[in-house]
Amino acid sequence: GAVVSQHPSWVICKSGTSVKIECRSLDFQATTMFWYRQFPKQSLMLMATSNEGSKATYEQGVEKDKFLINHASLTLSTLTVTSAHPEDSSFYICSASSSGYNSPLHFGNGTRLTVT
Amino acid sequence: AQSVTQPDIHITVSEGASLELRCNYSYGATPYLFWYVQSPGQGLQLLLKYFSGDTLVQGIKGFEAEFKRSQSSFNLRKPSVHWSDAAEYFCAAPGYSSASKIIFGSGTRLSIRP
Repeated sequence: GAVVSQHPSWVICKSGTSVKIECRSLDFQATTMFWYRQFPKQSLMLMATSNEGSKATYEQGVEKDKFLINHASLTLSTLTVTSAHPEDSSFYICSASSSGYNSPLHFGNGTRLTVT
Repeated sequence: AQSVTQPDIHITVSEGASLELRCNYSYGATPYLFWYVQSPGQGLQLLLKYFSGDTLVQGIKGFEAEFKRSQSSFNLRKPSVHWSDAAEYFCAAPGYSSASKIIFGSGTRLSIRP
């Protein structure tokens, strides 16, 4: 149980275009989802906390106008990288918790974004 | 502030040998602790978690971890590693200031020597 599906698994786009990444909880409802960014050989950096029905909470230094997050339902959160640039190329991972505080997170398989 | 530290960046062990990956935490109270594994190009999979009770926690894939309050440690162990265990391992804990945030250690890359 507790499966998180992330799509697409990889995407290549041109500079200036926007890319949407979806994160779905398949067999549970997730009021909160999280978006991480991971650089090669580094740990995960939390970008934002996505709350169903409300605005996302962004970590310091993360541009909310660049990384748009929408959590319109209890099973879907989307991250849109707007006007992408090569420096946005990275591995993006979403996660969700099936219950409250201190519950382990369930992760999607990540999306490899390459901006050319 | 709370933190999770993994002092080893990269470890190589021979297939069939035992493994111990170190994790130290800094918390004011009894922490909740997790170990995750990440295969190349993949998301993270939960190996095990410690909430309370028995300090020796059994996880999936033959892994276990022991919570030692006196040493502020939560080391991951496996008695005999397999080539498929080669991956990145992350120790993690919920954030104290925010109920939703998870703090990850910097990760330990495990390589397996044939």
